[in-house]
Amino acid sequence: KNEVEQSPQNLTAQEGEFITINCSYSVGISALHWLQQHPGGGIVSLFMLSSGKKKHGRLIATINIQEKHSSLHITASHPRDSAVYICAVGGQGNLIFGKGTKLSVKP
Amino acid sequence: DTAVSQTPKYLVTQMGNDKSIKCEQNLGHDTMYWYKQDSKKFLKIMFSYNNKELIINETVPNRFSPKSPDKAHLNLHINSLELGDSAVYFCASSQDLRGGEDTQYFGPGTRLTVL
Repeated sequence: KNEVEQSPQNLTAQEGEFITINCSYSVGISALHWLQQHPGGGIVSLFMLSSGKKKHGRLIATINIQEKHSSLHITASHPRDSAVYICAVGGQGNLIFGKGTKLSVKP
Repeated sequence: DTAVSQTPKYLVTQMGNDKSIKCEQNLGHDTMYWYKQDSKKFLKIMFSYNNKELIINETVPNRFSPKSPDKAHLNLHINSLELGDSAVYFCASSQDLRGGEDTQYFGPGTRLTVL
């Protein structure tokens, strides 16, 4: 079993839909990261959080430390949101990554 | 201005060759990393350096040797390339040593293909 599990692996949505991607982890962490990998391959950090909730534009990330679970929500999804979303947990100076969720948003 | 840059972007080479990938960051960060992303898109830490000193070396064959001439540069040299080394290699940096607790900035990646 991986230390970081994401679900779903693949997600197809229609433009405008509300999207949720889940991440569960089994190790103690200092922080949890959500990353976005564009179809071209570049990786961008979206959020880093250790408690509660953060919002940036149409993206919201939440974390429940007791349940070792985090969610990434996208409101009013758009085709440009199509990417791979990667959850990573931070411990002793490095990140442990989930396998990513591939999101396709259709117009 | 590019924050974290890598060269080359693509690298195609024969088995047995030696090659290097260069990484530079202009963010003034103290810590730099190398990650490998395999064919299934799974990312894994290889090395991290803090102020030119090796901090993390994750079960990587000793054919891989990182070199940090200064804290803005972390190069990856690979000897005797094997087919299994084909992957995308990402360089990243963060402000301080606690990379797990600090936002990391990624380079564009270097796609290495070993024939």
